[in-house]
Amino acid sequence: SAVISQKPSRDICQRGTSLTIQCQVDSQVTMMFWYRQQPGQSLTLIATANQGSEATYESGFVIDKFPISRPNLTFSTLTVSNMSPEDSSIYLCSVEVAGGRTGELFFGEGSRLTVL
Amino acid sequence: GQNIDQPTEMTATEGAIVQINCTYQTSGFNGLFWYQQHAGEAPTFLSYNVLDGLEEKGRFSSFLSRSKGYSYLLLKELQMKDSASYLCAVGDYFRDDKIIFGKGTRLHILP
Repeated sequence: SAVISQKPSRDICQRGTSLTIQCQVDSQVTMMFWYRQQPGQSLTLIATANQGSEATYESGFVIDKFPISRPNLTFSTLTVSNMSPEDSSIYLCSVEVAGGRTGELFFGEGSRLTVL
Repeated sequence: GQNIDQPTEMTATEGAIVQINCTYQTSGFNGLFWYQQHAGEAPTFLSYNVLDGLEEKGRFSSFLSRSKGYSYLLLKELQMKDSASYLCAVGDYFRDDKIIFGKGTRLHILP
């Protein structure tokens, strides 16, 4: 298993500002992902955070808007840039653990962002 | 691409049985997953099916038919704590086995 700490847990942000979310895992993991969950919706994959190289983004998400870092095997950040009210959402860090069950993702508690 | 369909909401009674259906279309099927998410909490893994048939785990069972692109999650002896959203998800080997989620089914349990 894996224990994932995300911060901030919630924040209220002004339009046009940027916010960085941190994700710390208590063990080395093979894969780290960032998901978004808008109110009443399911999880949408933003990108895969790759250690030491650029993240792999899903369709509809771009690096300029959602820059991601992963400097080592246990830590990653997601920045939501130039925020607008449409970015109000819960952002979740997720990992796959080496030797874990196939497809078993562990999630952080999420960071709930409200953009005014 | 992928398309995952499941009912938006369901209601069932404590002690009863409920079946949540999921249909999917994907180009590179590599597993069907069910996750549970309580309101305000992170999703947690429930089950994984990659071969046809039924996988039973306590009160929860998951079924897969690959030829029909169909799965269901069966919850028996429902308890109030089973009130949650249930997310159907598929892995796609054409997308590096990434897990893609459906919109989820919100299950309400009545006493």
